[in-house]
Amino acid sequence: DTAVSQTPKYLVTQMGNDKSIKCEQNLGHDTMYWYKQDSKKFLKIMFSYNNKELIINETVPNRFSPKSPDKAHLNLHINSLELGDSAVYFCASSLEGYGANVLTFGAGSRLTVL
Amino acid sequence: GQQVMQIPQYQHVQEGEDFTTYCNSSTTLSNIQWYKQRPGGHPVFLIQLVKSGEVKKQKRLTFQFGEAKKNSSLHITATQTTDVGTYFCAGERSSGNSGGYQKVTFGTGTKLQVIP
Repeated sequence: DTAVSQTPKYLVTQMGNDKSIKCEQNLGHDTMYWYKQDSKKFLKIMFSYNNKELIINETVPNRFSPKSPDKAHLNLHINSLELGDSAVYFCASSLEGYGANVLTFGAGSRLTVL
Repeated sequence: GQQVMQIPQYQHVQEGEDFTTYCNSSTTLSNIQWYKQRPGGHPVFLIQLVKSGEVKKQKRLTFQFGEAKKNSSLHITATQTTDVGTYFCAGERSSGNSGGYQKVTFGTGTKLQVIP
């Protein structure tokens, strides 16, 4: 009965490959997010979707493409992986898209690019 | 853009000592949240403060929101080994418009180590 689940939990791949991370939430939340946490533990928002509509798109290389087939799912596809993409990627969701939006995070997906 | 800084970056304390982390925003916030991330874990929501000067307590944890709504603090009394982790504040920027979306910006985090 995990609230926000991400797969895979670990991902090790070579530079230049393409990979996807999937996220699903069963909380009935309207908004979902992707955050990137680097080795220094900084948490930076990448994307946010509200009811399948993209509402936040930070300065992220266009090799990163989010897709939200429905409001319970937000996937992240990364093309042509680079060493600097190595990080932990957290999916999160919140009830509302604005105003007091408390985030519920998934367990994270640790991506290592060799 | 909005920046949210936390100090200190790291803190080692003996078990039983108190601990405080401070959070400062470059812009006025509509609310501030605090999250805890255990080693190897994910951020977990602790509390939200909305009103200017608000103080909230959760057992040994005391959270404060500054009068100007640009800073906040988290104080832990008599730390325990279970308090180990990284504490993040997260601020939502005030907007003059009703409705509309404001993203939550996370602070730089304070990593707490508790020595038994």
